Amino acid sequence: DAKTTQPNSMESNEEEPVHLPCNHSTISGTDYIHWYRQLPSQGPEYVIHGLTSNVNNRMASLAIAEDRKSSTLILHRATLRDAAVYYCILRRGSSNTGKLIFGQGTTLQVKP
Amino acid sequence: GAVVSQHPSRVICKSGTSVKIECRSLDFQATTMFWYRQFPKQSLMLMATSNEGSKATYEQGVEKDKFLINHASLTLSTLTVTSAHPEDSSFYICSARDQNRDYHGYTFGSGTRLTVV
Repeated sequence: DAKTTQPNSMESNEEEPVHLPCNHSTISGTDYIHWYRQLPSQGPEYVIHGLTSNVNNRMASLAIAEDRKSSTLILHRATLRDAAVYYCILRRGSSNTGKLIFGQGTTLQVKP
Repeated sequence: GAVVSQHPSRVICKSGTSVKIECRSLDFQATTMFWYRQFPKQSLMLMATSNEGSKATYEQGVEKDKFLINHASLTLSTLTVTSAHPEDSSFYICSARDQNRDYHGYTFGSGTRLTVV
């Protein structure tokens, strides 16, 4: 499985946008970029995913570089409830039930 | 939609006993489920892939005789930690994906905190 690299931690102020980067220089053509987040003492929660084009949903936006070697998760207005560990994961798209391998993720702190 | 229920949420057991954790897909069928464990301040580590009607596939270094996985139906997978020891104390999490939805996201259970005393 291709590996992702994320900063260990980031800080943000409440109600400001947050850009969480992820590098995945060894991504293959069939790898989807997934983002999950985990709040303390809970299971991870799906945030967003994409393949080539930028994606938006009610939770966040995903900006994917043209060469697909990096991506950025964008939280448009951070709230205190967004404080969590954010994981960027590559999933082989050719597999219908491909497993998710978690890296260390980025711990996001949101300050009031 | 796509809800995964995990039970129990917390369990304390004595060293040497066995503990069973259940993972249910409530509103979809899952031929495949995944089991993870997570130690404090660490990331999730995939333990095994649970396959309905067949043997589970274990990740390297995970003892299959210690962590017994049964996936007897399309909505239920169980993980049994046998002869538990304090070093098995961890947060165990399952996940599944609704393959019938045009959606790539995986749904996770809320986790089981196992403490072995």
